[in-house]
Amino acid sequence: GAGVSQTPSNKVTEKGKYVELRCDPISGHTALYWYRQSLGQGPEFLIYFQGTGAADDSGLPNDRFFAVRPEGSVSTLKIQRTERGDSAVYLCASSSQPTGASRAFFGQGTRLTVV
Amino acid sequence: AQKITQTQPGMFVQEKEAVTLDCTYDTSDPSYGLFWYKQPSSGEMIFLIYQGSYDQQNATEGRYSLNFQKARKSANLVISASQLGDSAMYFCAMRGGNTGGFKTIFGAGTRLFVKA
Repeated sequence: GAGVSQTPSNKVTEKGKYVELRCDPISGHTALYWYRQSLGQGPEFLIYFQGTGAADDSGLPNDRFFAVRPEGSVSTLKIQRTERGDSAVYLCASSSQPTGASRAFFGQGTRLTVV
Repeated sequence: AQKITQTQPGMFVQEKEAVTLDCTYDTSDPSYGLFWYKQPSSGEMIFLIYQGSYDQQNATEGRYSLNFQKARKSANLVISASQLGDSAMYFCAMRGGNTGGFKTIFGAGTRLFVKA
């Protein structure tokens, strides 16, 4: 696609529910990143995929968070038993390769609100 | 561990003046990349400029330049001839090499206000 696409753009869910956030990266980009951004803060690294595998998941806050990228393109971030503290904008980014001057292209984000 | 520090929560600049946004970093990787992004109130992340750790010259992109001081581990962004549209959040970011796992991490950001 022309850019990184994230769906839904907004999600309101009740505390304790399960949510899935989807990211469609730019076609051909092998590196995919998930970040969480709270109001007034910088993006907080969650997980990085190189191809189908999670190369670095050290930023996932706990085992309620999980992400997959089964075919090396679309990725889904899954949050179980959501808590009010999970409310944030979840950003996805992709890059053509994980090194050099290859910069990350960001999606518009999914604003998650847990009530 | 990798770390990015932006010590200026907010900065004011007069329109048409230049402004410097500070960024310091810490990494044990000999090879790394430094980026600056702009995030206006719309929320999109706009790439501004890139500096590689082995680049001999400071990066420039139009009105943006990066003052890279490797020994000091600083990568300050200089915006010349500020415009009202430059008002936004600015984030410094670093992508590490083998040790850092190639992930990109961000600083807390600096909010820039351009005054008419």
